[in-house]
Amino acid sequence: EAEVAQSPRYKITEKSQAVAFWCDPISGHATLYWYRQILGQGPELLVQFQDESVVDDSQLPKDRFSAERLKGVDSTLKIQPAELGDSAMYLCASSLILAGVTEQYFGPGTRLTVT
Amino acid sequence: DQQVKQNSPSLSVQEGRISILNCDYTNSMFDYFLWYKKYPAEGPTFLISISSIKDKNEDGRFTVFLNKSAKHLSLHIVPSQPGDSAVYFCAATKTSGSRLTFGEGTQLTVNP
Repeated sequence: EAEVAQSPRYKITEKSQAVAFWCDPISGHATLYWYRQILGQGPELLVQFQDESVVDDSQLPKDRFSAERLKGVDSTLKIQPAELGDSAMYLCASSLILAGVTEQYFGPGTRLTVT
Repeated sequence: DQQVKQNSPSLSVQEGRISILNCDYTNSMFDYFLWYKKYPAEGPTFLISISSIKDKNEDGRFTVFLNKSAKHLSLHIVPSQPGDSAVYFCAATKTSGSRLTFGEGTQLTVNP
């Protein structure tokens, strides 16, 4: 069964350092999402790509976060510099759009701890 | 502005009984609703969905009910099994776009 791949699974970094996460969506899925899930809360969308284009980054803290999907396949989310409040689970999801409704498939996530 | 709310952080039921998880939303533009299940150290997995043109959708042991006038939906699991123990997230979207807005989640524990 096809899955969304993410790496690393766990990352510990010191504040002010740079950190990057990688996501490989299900083959053929044109839409890719990055979510942040803080403990005790639901996932919150950070950025959405359609192929290589950003279609929604309204909740992305652009002063420190960046995301790219250069060839419209895999994607990288970067934080520089990391802050203590960035400690969270970072989830990647992908989807096919069928008749306007999307079922999103999530990867296992990257657990980030900023010390 | 919490547009999707799950007011019960946790729920505990006995194996074989019914589990009812609730979700409320405030944005009347939402017209498609989904439930996801999440085990520890895994990403959320899609469980069941419902369009606003329906008031009920059933898939095996799982049924979702939608009350548009009350802006409320619920997930029923019958019978509940220990393997159903997980965090359940309610999510909502507009069919014209694909952004999902999630609730806070409810931890379901099914006791043998």
